[in-house]
Amino acid sequence: QKEVEQNSGPLSVPEGAIASLNCTYSDRGSQSFFWYRQYSGKSPELIMSIYSNGDKEDGRFTAQLNKASQYVSLLIRDSQPSDSATYLCAPGSQGNLIFGKGTKLSVKP
Amino acid sequence: EAGVVQSPRYKIIEKKQPVAFWCNPISGHNTLYWYRQNLGQGPELLIRYENEEAVDDSQLPKDRFSAERLKGVDSTLKIQPAELGDSAVYLCASSLVVADSNYGYTFGSGTRLTVV
Repeated sequence: QKEVEQNSGPLSVPEGAIASLNCTYSDRGSQSFFWYRQYSGKSPELIMSIYSNGDKEDGRFTAQLNKASQYVSLLIRDSQPSDSATYLCAPGSQGNLIFGKGTKLSVKP
Repeated sequence: EAGVVQSPRYKIIEKKQPVAFWCNPISGHNTLYWYRQNLGQGPELLIRYENEEAVDDSQLPKDRFSAERLKGVDSTLKIQPAELGDSAVYLCASSLVVADSNYGYTFGSGTRLTVV
């Protein structure tokens, strides 16, 4: 059974702070990793992808991957109230994405 | 470019009734997925199509669920008969998958099913 573990939260951070979201996965065969943002009542939206160990930055978002530790994280710098959402971690394996339960982030003004 | 289109957005049915959901994927995406998302949970895969072929339906409850993807484009997911526990959001997604390498899904807006 392939598993993806995320802290369900809620994670509460003040506006302007860095939000750190973490994820561990069980399938060592995973080669691609994705972060999705899901607003309440909406469908998931792809915000970051990472394929190699290390960091990948895109605007205020940084994804970090450590395949040896089976760990992937998402940092959101200068958090805004509009970042309040559930963030889903999704490792890719054999053409499918396996989703975690998500971490609910709340950014307080 | 149009995204993944799903219909209907909402559906309320009585238990034991049939229901069907429709999905039109992004043009050029060779792979189509149906996921189910329960409240407070992540999406769970029901079935994956590569072109017209269902390549992974291991999580599809085949006693009551069926799916088809005619001509490798649109897809329909059916439940017959529906049970109370089927209440969830049904998400369709499409992606370009090459040699089992996934480049990320695009999801449709989903269908929220309520079985009463």
